[in-house]
Amino acid sequence: DAKTTQPPSMDCAEGRAANLPCNHSTISGNEYVYWYRQIHSQGPQYIIHGLKNNETNEMASLIITEDRKSSTLILPHATLRDTAVYYCIVRDDKIIFGKGTRLHILP
Amino acid sequence: EPEVTQTPSHQVTQMGQEVILRCVPISNHLYFYWYRQILGQKVEFLVSFYNNEISEKSEIFDDQFSVERPDGSNFTLKIRSTKLEDSAMYFCASRGNGEQFFGPGTRLTVL
Repeated sequence: DAKTTQPPSMDCAEGRAANLPCNHSTISGNEYVYWYRQIHSQGPQYIIHGLKNNETNEMASLIITEDRKSSTLILPHATLRDTAVYYCIVRDDKIIFGKGTRLHILP
Repeated sequence: EPEVTQTPSHQVTQMGQEVILRCVPISNHLYFYWYRQILGQKVEFLVSFYNNEISEKSEIFDDQFSVERPDGSNFTLKIRSTKLEDSAMYFCASRGNGEQFFGPGTRLTVL
């Protein structure tokens, strides 16, 4: 399985865009990039996924570099409810959760 | 919007007792999973289930654990003889062709 690297924590001011990076330099050609988050002790929540094109849905945007070795999750207008641990995953059969990025939204 | 449900939300049991955690996956999904999260630690994969059999399991999923899909809707995790270290949140998830949808979890406390 491809490994991912994420910063352990980030801060973002409420109302601003939160940009969460992820490195996945060993990703193979047919592996998708998935993002999930876990708010406190709730069940993990799917956010978005992509293969090589940029994607956008009602929650977020996903920017994948042309070489697919890294990606950025963008929450366009962060709110306090976006405070969570965000996980970048490159396989979505069994999910192996790393440490993720703990995002703090500052009021 | 369809969702995965889990019961009970909290289960307290004595060490050595059997527990069954129940999940109702999203109705047209074919892939099912159990994960656990010990307090303060990361979410860990336990087992995946497809076509009425286990497709993959982790080292954590030893002989004390079993899974079953007894009817067309429920997906259960049984722990035969609970240990103190089984205390954790247990999350069920299901998947169609894409992302996994997780339930709210069952908090298992073993005394």
